[in-house]
Order: sequence, then structure tokens, then C-alpha cells
Amino acid sequence: AQRVTQPEKLLSVFKGAPVELKCNYSYSGSPELFWYVQYSRQRLQLLLRHISRESIKGFTADLNKGETSFHLKKPFAQEEDSAMYYCALSVTTDSWGKFQFGAGTQVVVTP
Amino acid sequence: DVKVTQSSRYLVKRTGEKVFLECVQDMDHENMFWYRQDPGLGLRLIYFSYDVKMKEKGDIPEGYSVSREKKERFSLILESASTNQTSMYLCASSYLRGNYGYTFGSGTRLTVV
Repeated sequence: AQRVTQPEKLLSVFKGAPVELKCNYSYSGSPELFWYVQYSRQRLQLLLRHISRESIKGFTADLNKGETSFHLKKPFAQEEDSAMYYCALSVTTDSWGKFQFGAGTQVVVTP
Repeated sequence: DVKVTQSSRYLVKRTGEKVFLECVQDMDHENMFWYRQDPGLGLRLIYFSYDVKMKEKGDIPEGYSVSREKKERFSLILESASTNQTSMYLCASSYLRGNYGYTFGSGTRLTVV
């Protein structure tokens, strides 16, 4: 069965420090991974997809199939990065897209 | 600019009531989903639909049902609300393969008393 694990419930960092959110997955098929973000009092929104290899708001994530990981990184955290972050795995063996989400990591950036 | 609309932001219902949560999307997406979001548990899939009148159970369908009579609308029904169904409910939609990700609604905070 597919599973997404985010081991940290809460990550507290200082402004300007690097931040890394861990995500590990288990899935027998070809993984498609995503990061979603939810800012305070806003709806959940897509941050980035591994397939597009993009950098959004300074965040990057690399899919490591050997370690089955998709960690999210930013070299210099900003206060506006404080939010809840979810890692998600798209279950592509079905003919329709269905996501498995991790439990989420709350990031708090302090000045 | 709002693309996925959930009809209520907050709801308070009594135990045993039948509750309807409505979701409408205007992006012509094939897939629609209902999740519940609880602290420490993340998002758990209740039901999803990939076409009109089609529905599939997710990970936690017990106590819930759904209806999709039109492509743009997906309703979640709590047949007899219970206190353990107090939660944030999120609706989402996506294209069929889902590889562009989901678009979420703003959520409905349901409290069952």
C-alpha cells in the first residue's frame, strides 16, 4: 500500500536559516510527488511538482528514488514561509489521479 | 478567481442530523474529491468521483455518502452526524490523470454537538 511519511510535526527555524522538510514515501509504481502549502486562513494550494523541476518561492524538492524521498528545501527561510506543508503522492496506477497525503509539517519562522 | 467553492465555511449540527456539504467547481475537471483534515492525521480521503454519477470509496468512507449528478457539483452527505465527524472538510478537483495537482476549496469547518 502507498504511504507518505512526514516525520516532523513542527519545524521552528530562524529567519535567514535554511529549512528542510522531510518526506518519505512507499509506493511500488512510478511516483509523482507534490508539495502543498496552507498559509494561515487560506486554502490549501499547490507549491510544486517534482515532474516540473521548478523552484517556487525559493523552494526546491528533488525526488530521490533510491531513498524514496522528496524533501523540500529553502536556503534562507522568510517569515512569510510560516505555514503548514503537506507532501503528497499521486497514485498513478489507477486511470485517475488520486493523492495520498502525509500528516503535514507546521513551519514557524521566527525573526 | 475562485474556482472551487464550498457552500459553507462553518456549520454546527446536532448529533443524528443529516448533513449536506456542497462543492462546485468551474474548471471542467473530471475528478472531484472529499477529504477531511485533522491535526496530526493530515488529509484523509473520504470519497472521490471521476465522472458524473460515478463514485469510489476512499480510505474512510464509513458514515458518509456522496452524490455527483452534474460534472461541476459534488456533494458529501453525513447520513446521521456524530461527534467524531467534527472536522474540517476539504473539497478538491483535478483533471482525470491528476498530474497537474488538485485545486482545493476553502474548506467547511463542521462541528457536531
